[in-house]
Amino acid sequence: DVKVTQSSRYLVKRTGEKVFLECVQDMDHENMFWYRQDPGLGLRLIYFSYDVKMKEKGDIPEGYSVSREKKERFSLILESASTNQTSMYLCASSLGGFGNQPQHFGDGTRLSIL
Amino acid sequence: GEDVEQSLFLSVREGDSSVINCTYTDSSSTYLYWYKQEPGAGLQLLTYIFSNMDMKQDQRLTVLLNKKDKHLSLRIADTQTGDSAIYFCAEGFVSSGSARQLTFGSGTQLTVLP
Repeated sequence: DVKVTQSSRYLVKRTGEKVFLECVQDMDHENMFWYRQDPGLGLRLIYFSYDVKMKEKGDIPEGYSVSREKKERFSLILESASTNQTSMYLCASSLGGFGNQPQHFGDGTRLSIL
Repeated sequence: GEDVEQSLFLSVREGDSSVINCTYTDSSSTYLYWYKQEPGAGLQLLTYIFSNMDMKQDQRLTVLLNKKDKHLSLRIADTQTGDSAIYFCAEGFVSSGSARQLTFGSGTQLTVLP
């Protein structure tokens, strides 16, 4: 089974802090994704990566950056946290190629910015 | 990817069948997915269907696809209290570097009443 591990289930930070959310997958997947989930808005894609050191903006990249130095690890960075970034953050990974590529999700990090 | 729409809430009695509906707009989608999210957890892949199929059955789950109307449904037979969760449908489309992005609906909250 695919295992996607997010480093924290719950995190509380202060406005203006630099925040790192870490995600590790153990299935040698090429693609990794970061989403945020808010009530009534579903999942919105922040950034994704299809290879080491490659990154692409999703639908809502403002205020975020990412890092993928190793294939198994994808980090989401909030450069200067703000209260409107309080949310549930979900990481996912998937195989590369053109066939069926279901995404496999971690358990999420619930981030509160005070 | 385009918009994916789902109704927000569904209530059924234990033992009845549940039908969760979804409409999508991207006719080039080749794979469509159903995910389940239990409270406080990430998304769990339930099933998927390839766009050249009309139906797929997997134990208590039946997926129906009407490509002409761009309508997808998930039927859960003999619904149990453990099926109470949020159900997301998602359509896949190929993006940068062959990474297949998913566009998610806003999710349907299924409540199973005793």
